[in-house]
Amino acid sequence: SQQGEEDPQALSIQEGENATMNCSYKTSINNLQWYRQNSGRGLVHLILIRSNEREKHSGRLRVTLDTSKKSSSLLITASRAADTASYFCATDGTGTASKLTFGTGTRLQVTL
Amino acid sequence: DAGITQSPRHKVTETGTPVTLRCHQTENHRYMYWYRQDPGHGLRLIHYSYGVKDTDKGEVSDGYSVSRSKTEDFLLTLESATSSQTSVYFCATTGVGAANYGYTFGSGTRLTVV
Repeated sequence: SQQGEEDPQALSIQEGENATMNCSYKTSINNLQWYRQNSGRGLVHLILIRSNEREKHSGRLRVTLDTSKKSSSLLITASRAADTASYFCATDGTGTASKLTFGTGTRLQVTL
Repeated sequence: DAGITQSPRHKVTETGTPVTLRCHQTENHRYMYWYRQDPGHGLRLIHYSYGVKDTDKGEVSDGYSVSRSKTEDFLLTLESATSSQTSVYFCATTGVGAANYGYTFGSGTRLTVV
């Protein structure tokens, strides 16, 4: 069973707009991570937020974490066509020996 | 994907045949993982390794076995391939555990069982 579930499943925006993706999970975590996957490629790590952190920034990425609601959001500001990809959240549960559990992903399409 | 090589990149095999996928890393990472990716399911963990000769099962391990005889190589074997094992298989590694760093992924192996 999936630990994380992303919402929406698909998102289409125009270049320059902001994109927000949400992730919900079920059990306690050590940290939550976001990954990007371009079509036909492996996943690329974007950002990690620990369970005691509430917000983290990396360039145009902003991640929030609400452990009381077991949810996270990824905001990509000023989207570019190159941001077109699938985005996955992944959780490192407590006591799971560094095993990540991935959600089903959000497919982001950024059009010119 | 620098430092992690998966082979083969594509393979078509017949039902009932054994298949071995290879993951080779030059990162000297301790932890290695095999995931499969299917539409609607995201990535699901098959097996993982936390050191040479130390492996354990993941969420969807039935029909798969693994071996790790040296730090850099992690092999995934489908004992007798079935059509339900048609998937894209990804290897991933991390050095000090996902608690502090993310995974590094290979480019994947697309396996088709006919």
